[in-house]
Amino acid sequence: QKEVEQNSGPLSVPEGAIASLNCTYSDRGSQSFFWYRQYSGKSPELIMSIYSNGDKEDGRFTAQLNKASQYVSLLIRDSQPSDSATYLCAVKRGSARQLTFGSGTQLTVLP
Amino acid sequence: DVKVTQSSRYLVKRTGEKVFLECVQDMDHENMFWYRQDPGLGLRLIYFSYDVKMKEKGDIPEGYSVSREKKERFSLILESASTNQTSMYLCASSSPGQGEGYTFGSGTRLTVV
Repeated sequence: QKEVEQNSGPLSVPEGAIASLNCTYSDRGSQSFFWYRQYSGKSPELIMSIYSNGDKEDGRFTAQLNKASQYVSLLIRDSQPSDSATYLCAVKRGSARQLTFGSGTQLTVLP
Repeated sequence: DVKVTQSSRYLVKRTGEKVFLECVQDMDHENMFWYRQDPGLGLRLIYFSYDVKMKEKGDIPEGYSVSREKKERFSLILESASTNQTSMYLCASSSPGQGEGYTFGSGTRLTVV
């Protein structure tokens, strides 16, 4: 089992719809969770972080964390073509300094 | 604007060459990291450093070494480049603490021929 798994893509949604990206992790000691967006040919950029169970909203983005189920998700409301990118889930375990990344989900928002 | 700067955007090197990839950050971050990213394999950690002159192996350190002589600079060294080291190399930095994600550099696309 991979340490961080993301739902297989690619994922396509129409403009204006909600895009749902999912991630599961294997280490129950994981403390911090991050979502990165990576445009083709570019480096990843941090868009959301979450540490406590529940929802965290930032503009059109909502991160959801359920530690009991070892599950973290990212919802993008009112999806725009500019949201088309690969989304990476990353997890920090306990006192570790490094992040472990999932393999990413490619999202395409169709105009 | 805080930055992580990688010295080269594209590099082409020959098999057997010694290759240096440089990364500099201006955020006074303690932690610095080197990843490689390959299609279908995602981001894989090569080495990281949490202090000057300190280093730890990541998941795929074979064929690589690192150097951190100053807090702001972290270098990745390919001792003898091979074609299977053709990849996108990403440097990142962070400060200690639960809440800190990474700031990434713009990446170096290395081709070994």
